[in-house]
Amino acid sequence: ETGVTQSPTHLIKTRGQQVTLRCSSQSGHNTVSWYQQALGQGPQFIFQYYREEENGRGNFPPRFSGLQFPNYSSELNVNALELDDSALYLCASSLDGTCGGGGTDTQYFGPGTRLTVL
Amino acid sequence: AQSVTQLDSQVPVFEEAPVELRCNYSSSVSVYLFWYVQYPNQGLQLLLKYLSGSTLVKGINGFEAEFNKSQTSFHLRKPSVHISDTAEYFCAVSMNRDDKIIFGKGTRLHILP
Repeated sequence: ETGVTQSPTHLIKTRGQQVTLRCSSQSGHNTVSWYQQALGQGPQFIFQYYREEENGRGNFPPRFSGLQFPNYSSELNVNALELDDSALYLCASSLDGTCGGGGTDTQYFGPGTRLTVL
Repeated sequence: AQSVTQLDSQVPVFEEAPVELRCNYSSSVSVYLFWYVQYPNQGLQLLLKYLSGSTLVKGINGFEAEFNKSQTSFHLRKPSVHISDTAEYFCAVSMNRDDKIIFGKGTRLHILP
């Protein structure tokens, strides 16, 4: 049990629609990262948010966007869904220590949201 | 750029036998190394991590891994597996402690009765 929760657990959408996935980080963690895990593959980094600002992005198009809120929750939004967006979406929270606060050294993952695009 | 190669997509092993899951990485700078486990229909759980110091790292559930800088490897081992170890295992690397994590494609561990 990592203390990171995600909702919903499963979601079915059709091509062209928009989707919002939610993540509740472990209390006190100021950094959240999102990953996409396609079937049979390892997770791929989408982006990271630190103190409500985007702090690094992987090789994903702009239709993937995010938000992080002061209450440690965050969202992943995907516009204009494509069939290849079908995957397990994982969020991970951590406490960044680069500003002298003492980091956790570890990203704690939630159980994921499985998105199916038809 | 960093990358991770897990040499075996599937590893079958008999219950109570030892197992080694192989992982090689490439990076031009010092890295942090991780092994994560994913049980069926679940998220990722950290097994162990190497940040610095002793090259032999002990993790949860009896797993351990050895960092070998000259061979750029970070193989995962367990002396005696149990049926409950059936899962997908991911080797991963990052540049900084909280930086993006680059994952390998995973190794599925099959425990045979």
